[in-house]
Amino acid sequence: GNSVTQMEGPVTLSEEAFLTINCTYTATGYPSLFWYVQYPGEGLQLLLKATKADDKGSNKGFEATYRKETTSFHLEKGSVQVSDSAVYFCALDYGGSQGNLIFGKGTKLSVKP
Amino acid sequence: KAGVTQTPRYLIKTRGQQVTLSCSPISGHRSVSWYQQTPGQGLQFLFEYFSETQRNKGNFPGRFSGRQFSNSRSEMNVSTLELGDSALYLCASSLGGTGGTYEQYFGPGTRLTVT
Repeated sequence: GNSVTQMEGPVTLSEEAFLTINCTYTATGYPSLFWYVQYPGEGLQLLLKATKADDKGSNKGFEATYRKETTSFHLEKGSVQVSDSAVYFCALDYGGSQGNLIFGKGTKLSVKP
Repeated sequence: KAGVTQTPRYLIKTRGQQVTLSCSPISGHRSVSWYQQTPGQGLQFLFEYFSETQRNKGNFPGRFSGRQFSNSRSEMNVSTLELGDSALYLCASSLGGTGGTYEQYFGPGTRLTVT
């Protein structure tokens, strides 16, 4: 079946450090891939997306590349800020899924000044 | 454009009671999905409505139900509440349609506590 696996957290970094959050997926066909972010007490915000192999999604300094050969969609940022502290979710939509996004368990990121 | 709104934001109910949560999608969006978020199970899909019809349903008991109105607003209902129903309930709206991929935009959630 379709599934998403994210690296376990929490992840604690110092400000300006490099961030990588690993995400791999299992899916039939050609899913679309997403990263969502959830700040404390809030809903999920769409951070970036990629809809086909080799696409790179980017937003607010975050990037992720859709790698079909490794079934991965790792999230990266070159220099994190305290304001990036949140929970990050990798998700897939297997097309025609009719609203059913498959989410990873989430990775909590804490950035210290 | 206004985002997805959910009401109420917080609810405290007693075991055995029922509850109704409301979701207003982004204007022009015809699809509304509902998710349950808990620390143990993460984000789990409940159901999706498109043009007043339930198109997809997750693996939840029949105590969980929903509906969608002609203006795309949606409600979900949980009957005979159990302690394990305590969770953050999120709704998401999208343009919807058949096939393809449509970005989902989430509301702030309703925090339900069952005592």
